[in-house]
Amino acid sequence: EIVLTQSPDFQSVTPKEKVTITCRASLYIGTNLHWYQQKPGQSPRLLVKFASQSFPGVPSRFSGRGSGTEFTLTINSLETEDAATYYCHQSARTPLTFGGGSRVEIK
Amino acid sequence: QVQLLESGPGLVKPSDTLSLTCNVSRDSMGYFYWTWIRQPPGGGLEWVGYIFYDGSANYNPSLESRVSMSVDTSKNQVSLRLTSLTAADTAIYYCARGQNTGTFPVFWGQGTLVTVSS
Repeated sequence: EIVLTQSPDFQSVTPKEKVTITCRASLYIGTNLHWYQQKPGQSPRLLVKFASQSFPGVPSRFSGRGSGTEFTLTINSLETEDAATYYCHQSARTPLTFGGGSRVEIK
Repeated sequence: QVQLLESGPGLVKPSDTLSLTCNVSRDSMGYFYWTWIRQPPGGGLEWVGYIFYDGSANYNPSLESRVSMSVDTSKNQVSLRLTSLTAADTAIYYCARGQNTGTFPVFWGQGTLVTVSS
C-alpha cells in the first residue's frame, strides 16, 4: 500500500499570506496525485488533478506541483474562505489511498 | 450537472449488514468509475473501493472480505454492501464518480452518516 504523508498537520495563517502543503508518497506515483479541499460539514471538493492540473471553477490562487514522490499544494494570497482541511490522494496503484489531511486555520 | 445522493439506514446494529444506495442524476451514469469513500467522525478519508460501469471492482484489502459494490444503470444507482459491522465502521459514507477513465473521485455526493450501535 502506498502511504501518503502530509505536512504540516495544521497551520494558522493570516489572510493574504502564502500557504504550502506537502504530500510525500512512500513509492513512486508519477503524477497520479490529486488534491481535495474539505470544509466543515461539507463533502470534499477536487482542486487539482494529476499533480498540477487545476480543476475547472477552482480559484487561480490554488496550484499544485510535483512528480514522483513529492508534491505540493500552494494557496497564494490566502482568503478567509480557504479555511479547510486539505487532502492528497493517489490513484497510481490500488488500494488507492489518501493523506492524513492538513488543516488550515485563519488567524 | 452531476448529482449524487446517498441513502441508507442511519443506525445499524453490530454484526448487521449495511446497504447503501447512491442515486445518480440522469445522463450521469455512463462509462465511469464509481467510488465509495468513508470518513469516521473527526477523522480522515478512507478509500473503500471502486466499481467500473461494467461491474469490475477493486476493494480496499482491509475491507475486502466484507464489502461488495454493484452498478444498476437502468435505475441510475450504485450500491455498497458491508457485512459484519462493528463500531469501527461508524462513518460518513460518500459516493463519488470519476471523470473520463480516471479512477479518482471527481464529483461527490453529500454523504450519509452510518452509526453502528446496539
